[in-house]
Amino acid sequence: TQLLEQSPQFLSIQEGENLTVYCNSSSVFSSLQWYRQEPGEGPVLLVTVVTGGEVKKLKRLTFQFGDARKDSSLHITAAQPGDTGLYLCALRRRGGSEKLVFGKGTKLTVNP
Amino acid sequence: NAGVTQTPKFQVLKTGQSMTLQCAQDMNHNSMYWYRQDPGMGLRLIYYSASEGTTDKGEVPNGYNVSRLNKREFSLRLESAAPSQTSVYFCASSEAQDRLYGYTFGSGTRLTVV
Repeated sequence: TQLLEQSPQFLSIQEGENLTVYCNSSSVFSSLQWYRQEPGEGPVLLVTVVTGGEVKKLKRLTFQFGDARKDSSLHITAAQPGDTGLYLCALRRRGGSEKLVFGKGTKLTVNP
Repeated sequence: NAGVTQTPKFQVLKTGQSMTLQCAQDMNHNSMYWYRQDPGMGLRLIYYSASEGTTDKGEVPNGYNVSRLNKREFSLRLESAAPSQTSVYFCASSEAQDRLYGYTFGSGTRLTVV
């Protein structure tokens, strides 16, 4: 059973549209991170959330951590072609080591 | 620029050949990791090193060995390459014991085993 589920797996939208991608687990996290990976590059950290109910904003990106600390969402407003990439969530389990467990990602394509 | 440097960027091997993937970081991080990324499988941890002098197996260690040469360098060795090891390999580093700290990744090595 996959520890961390991301949905949707693929998403193709037009420039200017809004979108939300999700990250869910049956386990409680101590912290969760979102990364973006562009083709031919390694993932780059976008944000870390640690408190249940926490909301963080990064320009047009809004990250939310569920109250029970088992789920998270990423909302992009007015998507642009530069947002195209693979969005990965990663968690540290409660009481676990510092090793991250990654989801399989959501591949986002924003068409001009 | 500070970061994680991986070499080579691309490699083609014949089945049975050996090679070592190199990784170096200049951020004075304690922890280093090797992942492989395959379509539909996400990032899977091969080996990691929590500190200089220690290494531990991850999720998919079979067919690989690692060496934490010093605090900066963490290499991954394929002793006898197999087609199943065709993948993109990423090295990463982080400051251990800090759950707020993310991983810094290299730009990857794309390996094809024929």
